[in-house]
Amino acid sequence: GQNIDQPTEMTATEGAIVQINCTYQTSGFNGLFWYQQHAGEAPTFLSYNVLDGLEEKGRFSSFLSRSKGYSYLLLKELQMKDSASYLCASLHGGSYIPTFGRGTSLIVHP
Amino acid sequence: EPEVTQTPSHQVTQMGQEVILRCVPISNHLYFYWYRQILGQKVEFLVSFYNNEISEKSEIFDDQFSVERPDGSNFTLKIRSTKLEDSAMYFCASRELAGGRNNNEQFFGPGTRLTVL
Repeated sequence: GQNIDQPTEMTATEGAIVQINCTYQTSGFNGLFWYQQHAGEAPTFLSYNVLDGLEEKGRFSSFLSRSKGYSYLLLKELQMKDSASYLCASLHGGSYIPTFGRGTSLIVHP
Repeated sequence: EPEVTQTPSHQVTQMGQEVILRCVPISNHLYFYWYRQILGQKVEFLVSFYNNEISEKSEIFDDQFSVERPDGSNFTLKIRSTKLEDSAMYFCASRELAGGRNNNEQFFGPGTRLTVL
């Protein structure tokens, strides 16, 4: 299977900025998702990157470097409700099935 | 806004029993998926379904598992003889159609927590 690496846990302060990194295998790479998952709930879609560069969507931005097999999710103006697990997931080959990483548990404290 | 729904939200069963988990995908979506997530672990793909047949399945999806679209709205996952290690959150997801940047997005249901005793 495809390996996805992302930090297990991060903490940040309300109002701050946090960057969650993800590395993936470049072989056959087609695209990368970021999902947010609150405890006991379903993953919800945040972003999908295919091309290199930064895509901004409100307080959340996602960056992709295809040559480096690297992506990050940038969360600005953190709010307490942003405390959740952030899942990086990649697409490879002709499949539309994303391979998920273990997720990064983000804890936002006052 | 349309959403994927799943029932039941929590299912408790005895080892060896059969369970059926139900999902209603978003109505105009054509691709359907089942994933599972064991507590504290990553989301794992089980199976995808398109045009009334399985299109992809993982090694987890063995003969104990089956899927069905019995009518125009429901999509079910059956586990024939549950094992303790089947205890997990099971998520259904659906996707609109193939191709296009935004159409790769899968919409997840709220999940069914399966507990096998």
